[in-house]
Amino acid sequence: NAGVTQTPKFRVLKTGQSMTLLCAQDMNHEYMYWYRQDPGMGLRLIHYSVGEGTTAKGEVPDGYNVSRLKKQNFLLGLESAAPSQTSVYFCASTKIAGGPSYNEQFFGPGTRLTVL
Amino acid sequence: EDQVTQSPEALRLQEGESSSLNCSYTVSGLRGLFWYRQDPGKGPEFLFTLYSAGEEKEKERLKATLTKKESFLHITAPKPEDSATYLCAVQAKGGTSYGKLTFGQGTILTVHP
Repeated sequence: NAGVTQTPKFRVLKTGQSMTLLCAQDMNHEYMYWYRQDPGMGLRLIHYSVGEGTTAKGEVPDGYNVSRLKKQNFLLGLESAAPSQTSVYFCASTKIAGGPSYNEQFFGPGTRLTVL
Repeated sequence: EDQVTQSPEALRLQEGESSSLNCSYTVSGLRGLFWYRQDPGKGPEFLFTLYSAGEEKEKERLKATLTKKESFLHITAPKPEDSATYLCAVQAKGGTSYGKLTFGQGTILTVHP
């Protein structure tokens, strides 16, 4: 099992450019999440998905879009990148969010994005 | 609004010097409190979940405890390989049970040989 994988690992964009971050999990998890991590801010939820074809906004969704066309993949898009989106992005997944035995979220290795 | 505060921000220990990390939280009904370890350049790695006050869990040199307002991560006789950032997060009960975690800023632990 590869667990949760993310591509790319690093990326540098210019202001206004667009890109898509890909997250894939091979654990057959229902729920998937995108977080950003900034110094002194902790991990903050951008968007999440409770199943194939469904997405919802988290705490900091502005400037991002997501899609979950397949259960194992969760894509995060930046349509017009801004310097404020310079961050490390983490994808996570969990089997079922509500059950006491399945609350653990598994995280990917992260994508370090710099917007100039 | 759910809040998590971790202290200290950074902690330097000598190998073998035991200590504790603190996680204070406010949440509208706790479903679970989570501890993660994060190494530089990597994603958070799950350590423990605690569900109710009084609960304790152990893993090697780490022991996590939970009260109604805070959690402690006790590190006994730490080794240099325990150096990492330790993250605390809470998950609230409620109708929107999509598993949202609210994270603290983390404690950076450095263990010197």
